[in-house]
Amino acid sequence: GQNIDQPTEMTATEGAIVQINCTYQTSGFNGLFWYQQHAGEAPTFLSYNVLDGLEEKGRFSSFLSRSKGYSYLLLKELQMKDSASYLCAVHQAGTALIFGKGTTLSVSS
Amino acid sequence: DSGVTQTPKHLITATGQRVTLRCSPRSGDLSVYWYQQSLDQGLQFLIQYYNGEERAKGNILERFSAQQFPDLHSELNLSSLELGDSALYFCASSLNSAGANYGYTFGSGTRLTVV
Repeated sequence: GQNIDQPTEMTATEGAIVQINCTYQTSGFNGLFWYQQHAGEAPTFLSYNVLDGLEEKGRFSSFLSRSKGYSYLLLKELQMKDSASYLCAVHQAGTALIFGKGTTLSVSS
Repeated sequence: DSGVTQTPKHLITATGQRVTLRCSPRSGDLSVYWYQQSLDQGLQFLIQYYNGEERAKGNILERFSAQQFPDLHSELNLSSLELGDSALYFCASSLNSAGANYGYTFGSGTRLTVV
């Protein structure tokens, strides 16, 4: 099976940088995804890591260490619209994406 | 608009009843996935179909079933409904069965309320 852990809630202020961590335990690792979900809306794709290292995409970056079963999502220059849930999801061979319970990020001015 | 269409958007029904949720995948995608999202459980994987065949099963109850039709749309059937089945049900699609690189594209969901 899979076990995915991420903090339940985080708070930050506009313009700041925040790092959301995710740890996982799985076999047959096929990649790690980060999704953003605003309340009551569909999750939207943010990033994908399958090899160790950092993937940068504008204000968002994601890091993966497969040996440590660890990933983080880094959000820079925070804006109010970044207030949302951030979902870590692991793809295990032979099954579908399995999601963590998500981290609710609140950005204040 | 993600390209994944789910109907209906909202559904209110009584305990013991049966409902059908419908999903049309993004054009060109062959895989369809169903997820249930409740407040305390997060996104729970239910079942996956690829080109008409069941490919993977998650925590799907025996009261629930799904199928994917030749035109690739999918239906999720929920029967003998209980209050605890109230949740957001998402459908997602991907080009292949692995969904690698770009993950899944999600529809806007069906909010089911069982009273």
